[in-house]
Amino acid sequence: SAVISQKPSRDICQRGTSLTIQCQVDSQVTMMFWYRQQPGQSLTLIATANQGSEATYESGFVIDKFPISRPNLTFSTLTVSNMSPEDSSIYLCSVGTYTEAFFGQGTRLTVV
Amino acid sequence: ILNVEQSPQSLHVQEGDSTNFTCSFPSSNFYALHWYRWETAKSPEALFVMTLNGDEKKKGRISATLNTKEGYSYLYIKGSQPEDSATYLCAFPYNFNKFYFGSGTKLNVKP
Repeated sequence: SAVISQKPSRDICQRGTSLTIQCQVDSQVTMMFWYRQQPGQSLTLIATANQGSEATYESGFVIDKFPISRPNLTFSTLTVSNMSPEDSSIYLCSVGTYTEAFFGQGTRLTVV
Repeated sequence: ILNVEQSPQSLHVQEGDSTNFTCSFPSSNFYALHWYRWETAKSPEALFVMTLNGDEKKKGRISATLNTKEGYSYLYIKGSQPEDSATYLCAFPYNFNKFYFGSGTKLNVKP
């Protein structure tokens, strides 16, 4: 199993600013995943964070908007840049495979 | 993009009622189907990982069934309690370790 500590748990930010979300895993993992849930929508994969290489982004998500760092096998950050109210969402990090997945507690972001 | 759909979107029941939710998913390229319980400000909690057609799994008052041929899974809660109030998510893995999620069923159990 894996325990993921994610912070901040919530934040209210001004439009145009950036917020960095952190996830710390209690064991070494090759890949970490970042998801977003907009109000009334499903959790959607933003990108896969790989240690030692650039993150892989899903269709509709770009590095300039959601830069990701993965400095080692237990830690990753996701930055939401130049925020607008449409970025108000829950952001969730995850590790695991198709047999077992683990999640952080989520970051509830409100952009005003 | 694969369609993973859950119904209903929300459910309000009285304490002691039994209830069930549905998750539908693509019947091709099936690896597994996950059910999670997600409370606000907490990590989604794994309930079941279903892998075989016809699977039935049970955890206390909660059980789940799986039909991979027709692409659906049911989650049942027997004798709902207020502490069962949460959002129940189903997740369909693809590419080994990425997931498509349903939008969730938000359950509210009134005392």
